[in-house]
Amino acid sequence: GENVEQHPSTLSVQEGDSAVIKCTYSDSASNYFPWYKQELGKRPQLIIDIRSNVGEKKDQRIAVTLNKTAKHFSLHITETQPEDSAVYFCASGGSYIPTFGRGTSLIVHP
Amino acid sequence: GAGVSQSPSNKVTEKGKDVELRCDPISGHTALYWYRQSLGQGLEFLIYFQGNSAPDKSGLPSDRFSAERTGGSVSTLTIQRTQQEDSAVYLCASSVTSGRSYEQYFGPGTRLTVT
Repeated sequence: GENVEQHPSTLSVQEGDSAVIKCTYSDSASNYFPWYKQELGKRPQLIIDIRSNVGEKKDQRIAVTLNKTAKHFSLHITETQPEDSAVYFCASGGSYIPTFGRGTSLIVHP
Repeated sequence: GAGVSQSPSNKVTEKGKDVELRCDPISGHTALYWYRQSLGQGLEFLIYFQGNSAPDKSGLPSDRFSAERTGGSVSTLTIQRTQQEDSAVYLCASSVTSGRSYEQYFGPGTRLTVT
């Protein structure tokens, strides 16, 4: 089955810095890669996704890049703010059951 | 419109008792997923329903866990003879599966505590 590795498990940055979270996947048939943000005590919510026919997608301060050849994709957050503090999950899906990474706890210090 | 809802929000039960957790997906969503999230951990897939097809139960950790989905809408996750290791947040998610597009909408979860 699909295997998704996510790094780092914890990321601590100063407000205004950039943050990068990386994921690798194993199933070459995967073609949908969403990122979810889960604030403390809240439900996971989709923040951005990318499909395999594009290499990069941006939405204001967040962007996702995909390298299908190398089977990895990354989340980039620029100008981080304290409200970006949360756990971020990547996922990979080639079937209807996406496989999630183990999550990255992002801490943004004011 | 209304999002995914789950009930109860919190459940405390004694070891050995049975519990039922309920999920109301977004209307029109044909796919429904159950996940378990232990404290500080990731999302552990439990079971997946798609329309009227047989569910994918490959993630259920033991035969004490079962789930059903009636009328293609509401789903109930049942845990029999609960154990302390069952304590976790149980999340439900639904999605519209059209082609390869399946953004998942999560419910608020049920926090289960087994004493």
